Amino acid sequence: DAGVIQSPRHEVTEMGQEVTLRCKPISGHNSLFWYRQTMMRGLELLIYFNNNVPIDDSGMPEDRFSAKMPNASFSTLKIQPSEPRDSAVYFCASSLVRLAGDPIQYFGAGTRLSVL
Amino acid sequence: AQSVTQLDSQVPVFEEAPVELRCNYSSSVSVYLFWYVQYPNQGLQLLLKYLSGSTLVKGINGFEAEFNKSQTSFHLRKPSVHISDTAEYFCAVSVFDGGATNKLIFGTGTLLAVQP
Repeated sequence: DAGVIQSPRHEVTEMGQEVTLRCKPISGHNSLFWYRQTMMRGLELLIYFNNNVPIDDSGMPEDRFSAKMPNASFSTLKIQPSEPRDSAVYFCASSLVRLAGDPIQYFGAGTRLSVL
Repeated sequence: AQSVTQLDSQVPVFEEAPVELRCNYSSSVSVYLFWYVQYPNQGLQLLLKYLSGSTLVKGINGFEAEFNKSQTSFHLRKPSVHISDTAEYFCAVSVFDGGATNKLIFGTGTLLAVQP
């Protein structure tokens, strides 16, 4: 398997523009997580999905952020409008959750977002 | 609620010296424990995990960690480090909630800086 695939790897945009980050989880995984990493705040969980359903979005900073998972193989994180303080590395991770399962999360390489 | 504390933000060490990265957690229920490593400009990858059984767990690249329930610790050790071990190391805790999604709580990370 190719692992968790994120695109783009780098995104530079201007304040006020819409930004869409994409994630393809590992095939067969049923949970997907979006994280944000900054120097100031470290690694923060933004939202996670279980079987394509959002379970906990309490980490989403504000209404400018939204995430969708239309099917088991694709998810997006959208920021509209973007602001300079959104500059960070955004990671997607996936996991296979079972009753007696091995709860490892596998991370993508991340998208480095710069909002000018 | 669960939390993870990594007291050392940075650990400088000379090549071939031993190293210990400290991790303490708090939880009122049983937990799973993980160490992830992040090399520069990359995503996080699993170094090792404790789910159950032997309290001494071995991971990749010669790292090992010991789960100490009484001290609520999960310190990471390596007897002899290499320059290539220079990276950020994250400790994480997860509570398995009986078939729902596992959420990982991450520590703030420890930068291991190996010097020649």
